[in-house]
Amino acid sequence: NAGVTQTPKFRVLKTGQSMTLLCAQDMNHEYMYWYRQDPGMGLRLIHYSVGEGTTAKGEVPDGYNVSRLKKQNFLLGLESAAPSQTSVYFCASSYLGARPYTFGSGTRLTVV
Amino acid sequence: DAKTTQPNSMESNEEEPVHLPCNHSTISGTDYIHWYRQLPSQGPEYVIHGLTSNVNNRMASLAIAEDRKSSTLILHRATLRDAAVYYCILRDNYGQNFVFGPGTRLSVLP
Repeated sequence: NAGVTQTPKFRVLKTGQSMTLLCAQDMNHEYMYWYRQDPGMGLRLIHYSVGEGTTAKGEVPDGYNVSRLKKQNFLLGLESAAPSQTSVYFCASSYLGARPYTFGSGTRLTVV
Repeated sequence: DAKTTQPNSMESNEEEPVHLPCNHSTISGTDYIHWYRQLPSQGPEYVIHGLTSNVNNRMASLAIAEDRKSSTLILHRATLRDAAVYYCILRDNYGQNFVFGPGTRLSVLP
């Protein structure tokens, strides 16, 4: 079972460059989420989606955009990367309601 | 979303039970209590969740206080592979995101 797959796993960007992180899930989950985790910290929600074609802001949305054109994919974009966006990014998905999350293995992004 | 508080760190000896506490004094009647753990360099993984009654699964047990203002994750026999950060989170049926605090870092001593 693939579960939640994140690509790429590692990336180094220069300040001002743009990139897109891809999250794909094969569990037919309605909800999808993007979190970031800084060293020694918990996870902070960036954006989330409650279904195809919908997106909403989380706790720390500035500097990021997202799209959910297909139910199975959730894209996270950085238009102009900044060193403050150096972090590990986790995607997660879940069914409706209070059902458990399934997380991906993360993307480690370094902005220099 | 209602908040949870957990100790920053705990230690346990291998093969002994571990009780990880979580306080959630502002929990609402529709909030489920979820536990996740994060092994080093991995994404969080689901451990267990419950609403009112105690719950058991192959990984752990969840004991929920009668007033639901606190809960305890119980690992019955800690192994070295259980060393991780454990997160206690609240989520209701209409909630659309979790709020993750810093969690409890569990160290297991051989």
